[in-house]
Amino acid sequence: RKEVEQDPGPFNVPEGATVAFNCTYSNSASQSFFWYRQDCRKEPKLLMSVYSSGNEDGRFTAQLNRASQYISLLIRDSKLSDSATYLCVVIHSGGYNKLIFGAGTRLAVHP
Amino acid sequence: GAVVSQHPSRVICKSGTSVKIECRSLDFQATTMFWYRQFPKQSLMLMATSNEGSKATYEQGVEKDKFLINHASLTLSTLTVTSAHPEDSSFYICSARERSSGVGEQFFGPGTRLTVL
Repeated sequence: RKEVEQDPGPFNVPEGATVAFNCTYSNSASQSFFWYRQDCRKEPKLLMSVYSSGNEDGRFTAQLNRASQYISLLIRDSKLSDSATYLCVVIHSGGYNKLIFGAGTRLAVHP
Repeated sequence: GAVVSQHPSRVICKSGTSVKIECRSLDFQATTMFWYRQFPKQSLMLMATSNEGSKATYEQGVEKDKFLINHASLTLSTLTVTSAHPEDSSFYICSARERSSGVGEQFFGPGTRLTVL
């Protein structure tokens, strides 16, 4: 079983739509959680951290459910520029804080 | 944000040759750099963690004699793929953590696309 699992998509949505992605992780010792964004054939970039209390950054809202070991990302009022692959990332405790990446969920926003 | 560069961005080589990829932190010192590999439609897989002035720590299943890592300074780490074979063709990405940044924030280089014929 993969440590971090995501629905690969693609999610095809019209501009202005609200879309939600989920991610599950298998290691209960995971300490920190993030969403990264990766454009086609480019490097990943940090989108936002994810906290148990939930956090919001503009049109993006992230939630963490430790009991169920899942993380979510909600995008409101989708823009064409939101089209990308969204990577769920967790960090285990201990040594070097290695990032464990999910395979990503692809989002395509169309006019 | 901090800037990380990689060189070359793309390389095509014959089977059996060695390829060196450079990763530089341009405006900060990176005591730790990470090397990842990403196959099409798959997640980034950590290959090794590179610390300045010490030996790299390799992930399980990654051959340290095939993927040589050198982190000679606080701004430069290199990955050498020795005796490359077609199955080594992949997207290689480095990242670096700035001392003052959060635990989850790594700055990624633009990646190197390696094609082995």
